[in-house]
Amino acid sequence: GAVVSQHPSRVICKSGTSVKIECRSLDFQATTMFWYRQFPKQSLMLMATSNEGSKATYEQGVEKDKFLINHASLTLSTLTVTSAHPEDSSFYICSARDNRQDYGYTFGSGTRLTVV
Amino acid sequence: KQEVTQIPAALSVPEGENLVLNCSFTDSAIYNLQWFRQDPGKGLTSLLLIQSSQREQTSGRLNASLDKSSGRSTLYIAASQPGDSATYLCAPSRGPYSSASKIIFGSGTRLSIRP
Repeated sequence: GAVVSQHPSRVICKSGTSVKIECRSLDFQATTMFWYRQFPKQSLMLMATSNEGSKATYEQGVEKDKFLINHASLTLSTLTVTSAHPEDSSFYICSARDNRQDYGYTFGSGTRLTVV
Repeated sequence: KQEVTQIPAALSVPEGENLVLNCSFTDSAIYNLQWFRQDPGKGLTSLLLIQSSQREQTSGRLNASLDKSSGRSTLYIAASQPGDSATYLCAPSRGPYSSASKIIFGSGTRLSIRP
């Protein structure tokens, strides 16, 4: 089945630094990937849609200059949290749609970001 | 804009019971609908995928039904086990080439199965 790999699984960074999170589709190509954010005991909130070879589409209220998304190949999308602050601490999850699997979505295992 | 509501928000039952989790969505122009489970601190695991032309899908003790016209789906869990404890999320979505091809999640149902 479709596999989406997300790295790192856990990261701690200092306030003011930037952190990059990678999302890879291992056995299929994904022209579109999705980035979600989840706070404790809350549901997943869609942040942006990552489009291969073009600009990402951000949801309302998400700062595009703070959450930089790059989708340079058909198997890799990255999310960079720039100038991170403690309020950016959250669980970030990516997903991709596998066109071979009746267009179902597959999710990565998530990245726990803690900004100190 | 799609809105997803799941009822109940939380459910705690003893092991062995049969359960029904409900999902309703406002935009019935969907391509398919997936049910996921999320364990604490983990990503999402896909349980079942129902195409818009289908009425139900089964996998082991799980059965999901879809009534697209009324914007409803149910997940039936038979003979529940403690390992079924997790948050369950339903995810209706548009077609892959739609500009609105993205999943908007509701709050899910937090399920706890007591041994």
